[in-house]
Amino acid sequence: GAGVSQSPRYKVAKRGQDVALRCDPISGHVSLFWYQQALGQGPEFLTYFQNEAQLDKSGLPSDRFFAERPEGSVSTLKIQRTQQEDSAVYLCASSLARTSGIYEQFFGPGTRLTVL
Amino acid sequence: AQSVSQHNHHVILSEAASLELGCNYSYGGTVNLFWYVQYPGQHLQLLLKYFSGDPLVKGIKGFEAEFIKSKFSFNLRKPSVQWSDTAEYFCAVIFMDTGRRALTFGSGTRLQVQP
Repeated sequence: GAGVSQSPRYKVAKRGQDVALRCDPISGHVSLFWYQQALGQGPEFLTYFQNEAQLDKSGLPSDRFFAERPEGSVSTLKIQRTQQEDSAVYLCASSLARTSGIYEQFFGPGTRLTVL
Repeated sequence: AQSVSQHNHHVILSEAASLELGCNYSYGGTVNLFWYVQYPGQHLQLLLKYFSGDPLVKGIKGFEAEFIKSKFSFNLRKPSVQWSDTAEYFCAVIFMDTGRRALTFGSGTRLQVQP
């Protein structure tokens, strides 16, 4: 597709449920990022992949959060045993690998997760 | 830790007024600087970016930003706003010398333009 796509767009989960959020990056984009955006705040970094390698996961808030990108394209962010504080919009972004030192990221529409 | 600050949380302007949104970051090394915009119901879109060279950067829709290294600032400007500029604006920085390639965002500024 022309842009980054994410599914589902909305997800409601009961506390304690596991959820899986999907990201389809722009074709050919090597780098993929996940961000979490709480209401009224700017996005905050969660994790970063270059191809299938997870190079940075320093932003994951707990071991309940897990991300994968097994074939270097589609990525899934999984949250186990969801808590109310996990309610947020989860954004995916992709970029070409280093191009003249430029790391412009293109964002998807996000998945709004509500944990009841 | 590196951080990004946006001073104005909510700005209300009339059409044709001039706009300046502040952005500061706390870091003395090499940076890549961005302004993103999020229109109601839409995803984040890049307005403009700065990597090197001329510190005055022009973006889409008549926006521009100036990088002042000595002030660690990258303020966004537009000489005359339109109702369609109503949106949330985010300043974002990549702190290059850290080796991290993730964006660090400010908390955003909600701009409301009244017709």
